[in-house]
Amino acid sequence: DIVMTQTPLSLSVTPGQPASISCKSSQSLLHSDGKTYLYWYLQKPGQSPQLLIYEVSNRFSGVPDRFSGSGSGTDFTLKISRVEAEDVGVYYCMQSIQLPRTFGQGTKVEIK
Amino acid sequence: QVQLVESGGGLVKPGGSLRLSCAASGFTFSDYYMSWIRQAPGKGLEWVSYISSSGSTIYYADSVKGRFTISRDNAKNSLYLQMNSLRAEDTAVYYCARDYDFWSGYLFDYWGQGTLVTVSS
Repeated sequence: DIVMTQTPLSLSVTPGQPASISCKSSQSLLHSDGKTYLYWYLQKPGQSPQLLIYEVSNRFSGVPDRFSGSGSGTDFTLKISRVEAEDVGVYYCMQSIQLPRTFGQGTKVEIK
Repeated sequence: QVQLVESGGGLVKPGGSLRLSCAASGFTFSDYYMSWIRQAPGKGLEWVSYISSSGSTIYYADSVKGRFTISRDNAKNSLYLQMNSLRAEDTAVYYCARDYDFWSGYLFDYWGQGTLVTVSS
């Protein structure tokens, strides 16, 4: 199985400041079709997870442009340009190039 | 709007069985693969199983293979997870989620609210 490793596991951020989460995969997520199957989800407290970013860098419908994804191969990053109070929760990366789909351990983001 | 509503969770003894259901609405259910994903209390997400739009292709995580069975009824817009030989480590909130959209590239773009399964004597 592909292992997804996120760092840090927790992050405390002052509102308006940037935040960055790293996600590394044990194998390349670049498929022969040219797509890279890396996704980011946010699970807000008490809620179901929600899709933020698909295929490394594409924001899902309605996701604010302060969220951005980047990376390639095995190294990926989710950045929040200016953290807002509503961004608290646990962020997960996930790969879908190979079954089983596997998630990172999650990064808990809280507001200072 | 798209809605996924799970039901069927509850308390069951080790070795027991439970059947989860997920009622879908707001989209053409028969066009989409569907998945079950679970989350143990205080833990992260674990993908459990998926089923293709027609039901002909199915995949399970090793942790549930041979014990869980995923199925669907496209006429009823419903997804199911039959869970047998339940173990304490199966205790989790179980989510159904809409799987990969080949046109848009979205994966798990909609999730249900989850249903809690507790395996305990």
